[in-house]
Parts: sequence; structure tokens; C-alpha cells
Amino acid sequence: ILNVEQSPQSLHVQEGDSTNFTCSFPSSNFYALHWYRWETAKSPEALFVMTLNGDEKKKGRISATLNTKEGYSYLYIKGSQPEDSATYLCAVNAGGTSYGKLTFGQGTILTVHP
Amino acid sequence: GAGVSQSPSNKVTEKGKDVELRCDPISGHTALYWYRQSLGQGLEFLIYFQGNSAPDKSGLPSDRFSAERTGGSVSTLTIQRTQQEDSAVYLCASSARDTIYFGEGSWLTVV
Repeated sequence: ILNVEQSPQSLHVQEGDSTNFTCSFPSSNFYALHWYRWETAKSPEALFVMTLNGDEKKKGRISATLNTKEGYSYLYIKGSQPEDSATYLCAVNAGGTSYGKLTFGQGTILTVHP
Repeated sequence: GAGVSQSPSNKVTEKGKDVELRCDPISGHTALYWYRQSLGQGLEFLIYFQGNSAPDKSGLPSDRFSAERTGGSVSTLTIQRTQQEDSAVYLCASSARDTIYFGEGSWLTVV
């Protein structure tokens, strides 16, 4: 059973602050890690898919890193804006016969105060 | 439309009734997934269809749950004899490669 943990559970920051969250997963039997942003009443939005150790991805003010050897990924938001408020989900799949099965963490709820 | 479409958006049903939830994936996507999130829980895998292969049903919580995918496109998730613990948002997703795209979900409330 794959166990994916995210921390912190929730985070309150002021507009303009930079912030980061962590996703931890078992380093064995890893295929890919996905980051999603989920706003209330909307569909989860894919941010990044990462597969390679040392991979770094960037999309505007949001970036992510991946360490498959130690089993963690960081998501960074630079200069947070109120519209960044959402739940950020991390999900891992193990590949092989489990390719289609994403195991999600509980999410980090980010609130950015104006 | 361009995204994954789900219907109904919201469904309130009485305990013991059957419900059907529909998913229209993105055109051309061969993989289709169902997940659900119950109150206070994380997203939970239910079932995965890939092309013409046998579906991975390992996440279905009981034999009251079933899903089919017709013609490699539209999928229906059926819950028979609904229970209150089935109340959740049911999310459908599809993919062609590594990125998985989700619909907005069907919010099911069993009263």
C-alpha cells in the first residue's frame, strides 16, 4: 500500500509571502508524482507531472522539485496572491500494473490573505 | 466540450436507491478513471479503464459499486442500494499520456 503524506495540513499566509509545502512518499516502487491545485467547486487542475530524480518544474510563480531517492517533493509558490488560495494535492503512482492508480495525499489547504 | 464532463453535478438520493453517474472523457483519451472524496478523507481510487484492457477494479469499496465504459468513451458508475457512507464527490478523469485531467465531479448525498 502506497502512503503519501503532505504537510502542513493547512497554511495561512499574507499576500506577497512565498511559501512551500512537502509531499512524502515511499522511495521504492515509484513511477511518477503529480501536483494538483483544487479550488472549491472546480475540477482539480494539473500543475506538474514529475518522474525523474532531481527534476524541477516551473509554471509562472509556482515551481516543484522531486527527490525520488529520499521520497519527497516540494511545491513552492513565490509572491502568493489571494487567487492562489486552494487545496494543493500531491499524488503518486507506482507504474507497472498500478499505472492508472494514483494515491493521493490529504492535501495542503492554502489561504492567502490580502 | 474541451474538458472532462460529468453529470449530474449534484444528486440527492434516498438510502437504498440506485444511482448512476456519467462521465464524458476528453475526446481521444484512452484512459479513464473514477475517484471519490468523502468528507474529511483524501481522494480515493475506485476504478481505471485503459483502452480495451480489463479494467482495474481494485478500488471499488463493495460489490454495490460497478462501472462500465462503452465504446471506449463514455463511462457510467453505478451504485446500487446506496448507503449514507456513499455520500461523497465522485470525480472522473481521463488521460492520453502522463497528465490526468479531472472533471468537476458529481456530488452525491444519500439521505
